[in-house]
Amino acid sequence: DQQVKQNSPSLSVQEGRISILNCDYTNSMFDYFLWYKKYPAEGPTFLISISSIKDKNEDGRFTVFLNKSAKHLSLHIVPSQPGDSAVYFCAARGARAGKSTFGDGTTLTVKP
Amino acid sequence: NAGVTQTPKFRVLKTGQSMTLLCAQDMNHEYMYWYRQDPGMGLRLIHYSVGEGTTAKGEVPDGYNVSRLKKQNFLLGLESAAPSQTSVYFCASSYPGSHNEQFFGPGTRLTVL
Repeated sequence: DQQVKQNSPSLSVQEGRISILNCDYTNSMFDYFLWYKKYPAEGPTFLISISSIKDKNEDGRFTVFLNKSAKHLSLHIVPSQPGDSAVYFCAARGARAGKSTFGDGTTLTVKP
Repeated sequence: NAGVTQTPKFRVLKTGQSMTLLCAQDMNHEYMYWYRQDPGMGLRLIHYSVGEGTTAKGEVPDGYNVSRLKKQNFLLGLESAAPSQTSVYFCASSYPGSHNEQFFGPGTRLTVL
């Protein structure tokens, strides 16, 4: 049973437009959610996170929204840039920091 | 700071051979993790450690062993490699607390023939 799902394997957007990446989860015990970005042949790097007590967190061009009732979160990138082209992983954690669960990732392509 | 480093970057093994992957971090993090990533899939947790001398099983621990003898190092061992263990392996580290992000190494690409 996959507890964190990213149902869109890929997304393509035009430079300057908004990118919206979605993530769904099933475990109500998750209390912290993180987004990581991964370029080919590199390890993932942390992008932005949100606590379950919040519904929005913003950092520059990146905003994460959390809808606890729907067990859904989304990452918005505005405006999108070609350098944003990467694989984006959604991850969820419970109270025990050792237990991170990752989605399968969404490959974002931003076209110039 | 080097961050999280992994040795080796690439390795090819024959079925039944053994090897050890080394992860080192210089950020004084308490927690360390080993993940594997298969094509089209996310990262799956193999084993993790919440401190020197402690280890715990993750989501897919079978066929792997780990050791954390020093705080800065986390070793992943394959005693008898199988083709199903062909994957990219990532090590990560973090401070305690669910709100702390993980810092990842560059990965080790392992092929088992």
